Amino acid sequence: EPEVTQTPSHQVTQMGQEVILRCVPISNHLYFYWYRQILGQKVEFLVSFYNNEISEKSEIFDDQFSVERPDGSNFTLKIRSTKLEDSAMYFCASSGPAGLGGNEQYFGPGTRLTVT
Amino acid sequence: AQSVAQPEDQVNVAEGNPLTVKCTYSVSGNPYLFWYVQYPNRGLQFLLKYITGDNLVKGSYGFEAEFNKSQTSFHLKKPSALVSDSALYFCAVRDLMDSNYQLIWGAGTKLIIKP
Repeated sequence: EPEVTQTPSHQVTQMGQEVILRCVPISNHLYFYWYRQILGQKVEFLVSFYNNEISEKSEIFDDQFSVERPDGSNFTLKIRSTKLEDSAMYFCASSGPAGLGGNEQYFGPGTRLTVT
Repeated sequence: AQSVAQPEDQVNVAEGNPLTVKCTYSVSGNPYLFWYVQYPNRGLQFLLKYITGDNLVKGSYGFEAEFNKSQTSFHLKKPSALVSDSALYFCAVRDLMDSNYQLIWGAGTKLIIKP
């Protein structure tokens, strides 16, 4: 069964450093998402991406964040200058054909980001 | 504004008993409703969804959920709980009127099944 994969599983970085979190969505999916979950808290939407551009982003997704689909398979989230409060589990998700908002999103296993 | 409420932080059920995890929602238009489960140190796994049609939807691992439009609820149920059902359960909604595909999430309910 196809699945979303994410690397690394755990990333430790120092405050102020740049990090890139990587995701490989399911191959025939067209919509891509990043979410985060601070330990013990709810899942928070960051950004959605379709047709090589951002379709929606939340207030959390400020200028420090960016997303890219550099090739046909990878989908990356970059945090330019990490802050302590960026420590969280980051989930990538993808969903199927365009126009079907009822398609469920499939999630990767997450990357745990720890900013020290 | 769209929102999802899961009124119980934790639900405790004895193995073999029926379980219910509650979810209510608020959207402008018609909702797409989802349940996801998160096992410890794992990602979110899709359980089931309501888009249209029959109000009772069946999903993975024997779970089902009932859409109630008048009560704006989408409670998750299972007739007989297993210890392995212990996990964190999230309800999520998308507004059909919303042109993007953002999911709005509940805070999650921790389900504990005791042997």
